[in-house]
Amino acid sequence: QKEVEQNSGPLSVPEGAIASLNCTYSDRVSQSFFWYRQYSGKSPELIMSIYSNGDKEDGRFTAQLNKASQYVSLLIRDSQPSDSATYLCAVWGAAGNKLTFGGGTRVLVKP
Amino acid sequence: KAGVTQTPRYLIKTRGQQVTLSCSPISGHRSVSWYQQTPGQGLQFLFEYFSETQRNKGNFPGRFSGRQFSNSRSEMNVSTLELGDSALYLCASSYTGTPYNEQFFGPGTRLTVL
Repeated sequence: QKEVEQNSGPLSVPEGAIASLNCTYSDRVSQSFFWYRQYSGKSPELIMSIYSNGDKEDGRFTAQLNKASQYVSLLIRDSQPSDSATYLCAVWGAAGNKLTFGGGTRVLVKP
Repeated sequence: KAGVTQTPRYLIKTRGQQVTLSCSPISGHRSVSWYQQTPGQGLQFLFEYFSETQRNKGNFPGRFSGRQFSNSRSEMNVSTLELGDSALYLCASSYTGTPYNEQFFGPGTRLTVL
């Protein structure tokens, strides 16, 4: 079992709809959780960090964390074609004192 | 604030050669982490430096090494290059590299080994 797992996609979403991305992690003692966006040929860009159970909202993005279920998600509201990218979930502590990344979910927003 | 910078942006080397990549962190950041990204393996942690000391290391062979200078700039070196070392090498900086510090990535160095 991988330490951090994501569905590879592609997740196809109509413009204006909500995109829902999921991430599960294996180590219960994982401490902090991050979502990055990576456009093709570019480096990852930090979108959100979340450290405690519940929801955290930043603009059109909402991160949700459930430590009991070892689950973190990202919602993108009012999806735009510019949101088409690969979204990486990263977990601190999933495999030691470092950031471990999932394989990423590719999102396609269709006009 | 200026972001994380990496040089060079692109490199082409042949098998057996060695390469040195450079990373300058965001001003005030003292932790630098290095990652290798390939289509097959995704983003994998190489090592992390803080205050000129390697604090964590991933599961890579000893051909991969690094160092950090007193100004927090970091270099990584790959010796005896293999075809499988072709990848995007990313560095990320954070204030102290602890769990609640966000990491910010540089643009990466694209290494091609022929």
